[in-house]
Amino acid sequence: RKEVEQDPGPFNVPEGATVAFNCTYSNSASQSFFWYRQDCRKEPKLLMSVYSSGNEDGRFTAQLNRASQYISLLIRDSKLSDSATYLCVVNEGTSGGGADGLTFGKGTHLIIQP
Amino acid sequence: NAGVTQTPKFRILKIGQSMTLQCTQDMNHNYMYWYRQDPGMGLKLIYYSVGAGITDKGEVPNGYNVSRSTTEDFPLRLELAAPSQTSVYFCASSYAGSSPGANVLTFGAGSRLTVL
Repeated sequence: RKEVEQDPGPFNVPEGATVAFNCTYSNSASQSFFWYRQDCRKEPKLLMSVYSSGNEDGRFTAQLNRASQYISLLIRDSKLSDSATYLCVVNEGTSGGGADGLTFGKGTHLIIQP
Repeated sequence: NAGVTQTPKFRILKIGQSMTLQCTQDMNHNYMYWYRQDPGMGLKLIYYSVGAGITDKGEVPNGYNVSRSTTEDFPLRLELAAPSQTSVYFCASSYAGSSPGANVLTFGAGSRLTVL
């Protein structure tokens, strides 16, 4: 059974702090990885893809560790607007090449406190 | 450019009733999907489509049907609503391939369904 595991939180973090959370996946053949952000009662939206070499987008850094089968998300200088649920998404890959092989984690709830 | 549009946003059904959730996208994506999201759970794939005329089951297809007559539209049909189908439903689309934007899902705003 394919599994993507996340700490559900909530993570309560003061504004301006750095926060990091991990996501583990069970299928070693997984091909691509993403972090999505979901605000309360809204749809998920892509935050960033996760590349093998790690990647950074402003205050956000994503890393992949294939040997230990986890991906991480680091948020620096956290803002009140970063409060959301962060979904880890792993693509197992399919013959058709689409996103039907995606497995979603249950999400990590982040609360930035003033 | 509207992206992915779902209707209705909210609906209350009685057990045994039927309804269709509508989904349309204007991005010319070949792939479309229906997910459901229950509280505290990850999104579960109900059905997906790789193009007009082609549909396939996802992880939790029982109690649902879909059709894909055009590239733009992918309606989800509930034939005999049950309380277990109370959930938030998201339609999404993507394009397949190996470019950086491939397989990135664009979601609709969601449809909140309650079956009583």
